[in-house]
Amino acid sequence: EADIYQTPRYLVIGTGKKITLECSQTMGHDKMYWYQQDPGMELHLIHYSYGVNSTEKGDLSSESTVSRIRTEHFPLTLESARPSHTSQYLCASSGWGQGIETQYFGPGTRLLVL
Amino acid sequence: RKEVEQDPGPFNVPEGATVAFNCTYSNSASQSFFWYRQDCRKEPKLLMSVYSSGNEDGRFTAQLNRASQYISLLIRDSKLSDSATYLCVVTSDYKLSFGAGTTVTVRA
Repeated sequence: EADIYQTPRYLVIGTGKKITLECSQTMGHDKMYWYQQDPGMELHLIHYSYGVNSTEKGDLSSESTVSRIRTEHFPLTLESARPSHTSQYLCASSGWGQGIETQYFGPGTRLLVL
Repeated sequence: RKEVEQDPGPFNVPEGATVAFNCTYSNSASQSFFWYRQDCRKEPKLLMSVYSSGNEDGRFTAQLNRASQYISLLIRDSKLSDSATYLCVVTSDYKLSFGAGTTVTVRA
């Protein structure tokens, strides 16, 4: 099992609220990622980080922001939640083993914005 | 053109059957290949890496064809618990690209 954690697992919140989705990993991985996935749909990369103080936008435009102050922590923030932000948010980290870089996912946060 | 393409399925098979499906990738310089499994409303989990020589893990066999730029997954003696969406993942220039997934449903 991968040591990557997300909180909260489920969140129902009203429009306009500021929210932060937490993600942490204890594997010492430098690379971390945030994906957005709607039910039955494919994963979309929205943010990634190659290490402390590194953050990049992914393939899918997102109104969220991220920070990477510590290696193990990669929180995602929505300043003003909207119903269109309703989705599942998956955090992942990747590390090298046996010559291959492998990505591991957290359990996800299901967000519902009313 | 998407970097990774998969037949979405669904593949509906009876228990005990063999099911196989492919994934094609566009970047000929791709370096690493994986199959992930995602259950409904769960996170993707690594099923197996795919090596150039092909590899087996129990009832699962993965093959890589670099010339034709595809990887395949074969499931033998399928179980009800194999019902899931199988995601193809390809690494190019240290960037991971995910396919949209192939849904497999195993029926009793």
